[in-house]
Amino acid sequence: QSVLTQPPSVSGAPGQTVTISCFGSSSNLGSGYDVHWYQQLPGKAPKLLIYSSTNRPSGVPDRFSGSKSGTSASLAITGLQADDEADYYCQSFDSSLSVPYVFGTGTKVTVL
Amino acid sequence: QVQLQESGPGLVKPSGTLSLTCTVSGGSISGDNWWCWIRQSPGKGLEWIGEIHHSGKKNYNLSLKNRLAISLDKSKTQFSLSLSSVTAADTAVYYCAREDCRGGSCFYNFDSWGQGTLVTVSS
Repeated sequence: QSVLTQPPSVSGAPGQTVTISCFGSSSNLGSGYDVHWYQQLPGKAPKLLIYSSTNRPSGVPDRFSGSKSGTSASLAITGLQADDEADYYCQSFDSSLSVPYVFGTGTKVTVL
Repeated sequence: QVQLQESGPGLVKPSGTLSLTCTVSGGSISGDNWWCWIRQSPGKGLEWIGEIHHSGKKNYNLSLKNRLAISLDKSKTQFSLSLSSVTAADTAVYYCAREDCRGGSCFYNFDSWGQGTLVTVSS
């Protein structure tokens, strides 16, 4: 029941910058609710990467940054490294559906 | 550093009841936080199932509400999930997670997760 739309995949060479978009609607991102980002390494649980649109939890490198504007948000990874290869999900609160917490469709980041 | 660990059967028969427990360690289950269940299946991605607070308050995914029960045991620092009348569509990796709440406010994200447990619905 994903209501946040992400590109299925993005790729980049080591050292490059990749950006992942997350498109929502007026009932979630457009209502001012923050976006949060998670990194899911293969076979592992999601890990909080960015919270409240722009904040990094302790221990997350500053190569990861987030932004939000209107009904869309972005996650940027600068200085891409091999161990950044993972699935990334956005997440927000939604005021209109039967489920208040909604996730993005997920983006696979491949390091070339 | 709070840690969460799911436990329960990995195989449930169709029409049966899926029961999982999450054990919380390294932190209080009676603080500000809400305690959540989230599942991940190939067909539906990540799906929030429901949450519970130590006060007894609960919120459920309305699409699962008729089959769902979440409970919390402070003495064992555990919370549990029960999902009845399961079908193959309930096959997923089930995660327990903590909602990020601090100083009386919640931030609508999940800052700690268990490792996840695969539950397969099959005869």
